[in-house]
Amino acid sequence: RKEVEQDPGPFNVPEGATVAFNCTYSNSASQSFFWYRQDCRKEPKLLMSVYSSGNEDGRFTAQLNRASQYISLLIRDSKLSDSATYLCVVNSRGGGSYIPTFGRGTSLIVHP
Amino acid sequence: GAVVSQHPSWVICKSGTSVKIECRSLDFQATTMFWYRQFPKQSLMLMATSNEGSKATYEQGVEKDKFLINHASLTLSTLTVTSAHPEDSSFYICSARATLTSGVNTDTQYFGPGTRLTVL
Repeated sequence: RKEVEQDPGPFNVPEGATVAFNCTYSNSASQSFFWYRQDCRKEPKLLMSVYSSGNEDGRFTAQLNRASQYISLLIRDSKLSDSATYLCVVNSRGGGSYIPTFGRGTSLIVHP
Repeated sequence: GAVVSQHPSWVICKSGTSVKIECRSLDFQATTMFWYRQFPKQSLMLMATSNEGSKATYEQGVEKDKFLINHASLTLSTLTVTSAHPEDSSFYICSARATLTSGVNTDTQYFGPGTRLTVL
């Protein structure tokens, strides 16, 4: 079983739609969690950190469920510019420092 | 703040040559730098974790003698692909994690723009 799993999609949605992605992780001792966005042939860019209390940034809401070991990302009122791959990242302790593990990414296509 | 640069941004080389990629944190000091590789339509794969002044920790399946990592300062790490072959063609990305005193979030990775390597 992979340490961090995501549905690769693609999720194909119209503009204005609400879309949600989930990411599950297997290491119960994982410490911190993030969502990154990666555009084609570009480096990942941090979208938001994920906290147990949940956090919201404009149209984006991230949630962490430690008991079930998953994190989620909700995008409301999708824009064409939201089309990208969304990567889930989980940091776990290893060798005295944090080791990041990336999910495979979920592809989102927003169409007119 | 928290900008990471990589050089070169792309490189084409002949099989058997060595290629050096630089990763620099421009406005903060980085305790740890990570090197990733990404093949088309695949996820980022961590190759190695590099801590300043110590040997890199390589992930399983990554040959340390082929992918030489040097992290001589808190702002620079280099990855050298030795005797490159066509199967080494990939997108290599570094990221940096800040030191506690740098004034930047230490829990976040800041990515370089990547280096696209093509080996003929």
